[in-house]
Amino acid sequence: AQSVTQLGSHVSVSEGALVLLRCNYSSSVPPYLFWYVQYPNQGLQLLLKYTTGATLVKGINGFEAEFKKSETSFHLTKPSAHMSDAAEYFCAVIGDTGRRALTFGSGTRLQVQP
Amino acid sequence: GAGVSQTPSNKVTEKGKYVELRCDPISGHTALYWYRQSLGQGPEFLIYFQGTGAADDSGLPNDRFFAVRPEGSVSTLKIQRTERGDSAVYLCASSLSGPISYNEQFFGPGTRLTVL
Repeated sequence: AQSVTQLGSHVSVSEGALVLLRCNYSSSVPPYLFWYVQYPNQGLQLLLKYTTGATLVKGINGFEAEFKKSETSFHLTKPSAHMSDAAEYFCAVIGDTGRRALTFGSGTRLQVQP
Repeated sequence: GAGVSQTPSNKVTEKGKYVELRCDPISGHTALYWYRQSLGQGPEFLIYFQGTGAADDSGLPNDRFFAVRPEGSVSTLKIQRTERGDSAVYLCASSLSGPISYNEQFFGPGTRLTVL
């Protein structure tokens, strides 16, 4: 079975500060891991994904995430927060043989303070 | 090009009524997915189509929920005898087929269903 846990339903940072959003997963096979962002009244947008190969993946808008198998983690980071980063962020996994459906975490709402 | 579109954007209905939600995928995308997002939660998988057939319907919560994709393009999610607990945003996504690693799921803006 596949599942995702996102620690912290709300995270608040100051503009220019480091952003760290945590994601841990469980998977019965080598996982595919994703981060999606959801802006108010908009659809989900893919930020980045890990499939195979390099464990540090870079995405759009300056975000990156590192796959750590030993820790079953895929935390999302950005060195310097911008006001426009305020949104809901979802970690997701595909980790069952033959499945294509995404299993999402419950989300983390990021607030950026001026 | 056009993204995934969903109609209606909002639907208000009464308990016990029947509703249909429509999804128009990106042209050429053979895979189509339905998810449901309840308030304060992440999206939950409902059903996945490959072409015209449902390849995985393990997420449908009960037999009141049904989905079709008769021509392998537009899909309709049908909910019978709606209950207040069905209130949620229903999301549709589409992708190309082939390896997961190459084929991103593109999401529509969703249909917000409210059951009174």
